[in-house]
Amino acid sequence: DAKTTQPPSMDCAEGRAANLPCNHSTISGNEYVYWYRQIHSQGPQYIIHGLKNNETNEMASLIITEDRKSSTLILPHATLRDTAVYYCIVRGWNTNAGKSTFGDGTTLTVKP
Amino acid sequence: DAGITQSPRYKITETGRQVTLMCHQTWSHSYMFWYRQDLGHGLRLIYYSAAADITDKGEVPDGYVVSRSKTENFPLTLESATRSQTSVYFCASIRDTEAFFGQGTRLTVV
Repeated sequence: DAKTTQPPSMDCAEGRAANLPCNHSTISGNEYVYWYRQIHSQGPQYIIHGLKNNETNEMASLIITEDRKSSTLILPHATLRDTAVYYCIVRGWNTNAGKSTFGDGTTLTVKP
Repeated sequence: DAGITQSPRYKITETGRQVTLMCHQTWSHSYMFWYRQDLGHGLRLIYYSAAADITDKGEVPDGYVVSRSKTENFPLTLESATRSQTSVYFCASIRDTEAFFGQGTRLTVV
């Protein structure tokens, strides 16, 4: 699986949009970009995923560059409860899912 | 209740002891995984399984053994625990798009 690079930490004001970047310059054509988050010591929680088109769900939006070498997770109106570690990973669909690996992620702190 | 559960939640063991961490899922997902998370770091893949009786190594398999005789269970065994294996262990299963994680097992080796 392709490796990802994320900034170690970011701050965001409550109510503002949080934009979390991820570089995945070695992504291959059949690999998806996935985002998870981990609050305190709980198990990671799935947020969103995409292949090449931008995606949006009730939690967030995912913007993937045209060359697919980077992406941005957008939390449109960050709340204090969004304070967490956010992980960006790339992996194949289902049959290639076995080698999912997580980096150190980005610690997002939402401040009042 | 449907879900993925790990047991025990907390475990303290001595160096050299054998320890087994249990993971059970109720969805019949094919893929299951074991990760470890050291303090202040991300998750590292230990072993994974694509189906019953099919397992493969991840990034950090040394010192660990897994089995998958039934789809719903994926136990992780530390054959001879070492202090460096003190960590939080997460089990997960995957269905297509989403990974579902257990609550984690906090293991301390003294």
